[in-house]
Amino acid sequence: GAGVSQSPSNKVTEKGKDVELRCDPISGHTALYWYRQSLGQGLEFLIYFQGNSAPDKSGLPSDRFSAERTGGSVSTLTIQRTQQEDSAVYLCASSLYGTRQGNQPQHFGDGTRLSIL
Amino acid sequence: AQTVTQSQPEMSVQEAETVTLSCTYDTSENNYYLFWYKQPPSRQMILVIRQEAYKQQNATENRFSVNFQKAAKSFSLKISDSQLGDTAMYFCAFVLHSGGGADGLTFGKGTHLIIQP
Repeated sequence: GAGVSQSPSNKVTEKGKDVELRCDPISGHTALYWYRQSLGQGLEFLIYFQGNSAPDKSGLPSDRFSAERTGGSVSTLTIQRTQQEDSAVYLCASSLYGTRQGNQPQHFGDGTRLSIL
Repeated sequence: AQTVTQSQPEMSVQEAETVTLSCTYDTSENNYYLFWYKQPPSRQMILVIRQEAYKQQNATENRFSVNFQKAAKSFSLKISDSQLGDTAMYFCAFVLHSGGGADGLTFGKGTHLIIQP
């Protein structure tokens, strides 16, 4: 597609439920990133994929968070047993190759607003 | 670890005026990239301008320019002839160039810029 696509746009769920957020990067982009944006914490980097591989998962807030990427394209961020502090906007970005390797800017999607009741 | 500081939570100027948003960062590394992103109420992060640390010349993009002072670790954004459509949150961001580790951007807390008619 023309840009990074994220779904759903908004998600409201009850505390304790699992949620799955989806990101479809720009076609041909090898690098994919997840960020979380909340009022208290600002923008936090969560995880980065180069192809299907995530070299460093230390940015994920807890073991309830996991992410995968298949076929070098679509990525899903899964939050298990959601808590109220998980409420935030989750942003996905992609770049042609890693930003650090080639000064490729990250292009962002519109985000998923997650609300935990 | 790298940090990015934006000391102006909110700024307001009249349309057509020039405004400067400040950003300072802290790193012990010598090679890195700096970015300014704009986030309007639509939520999408839009790249405004970028700067490679090894370049002494300040980057410019139409009405947007930066004042990059590497020794002072300062990276301010100047918007000339401001327009109503410039109203948005502006985020300064940093990433190291090459080497190991994650590829994610480190963001400042943002400056809410309001352009008054």
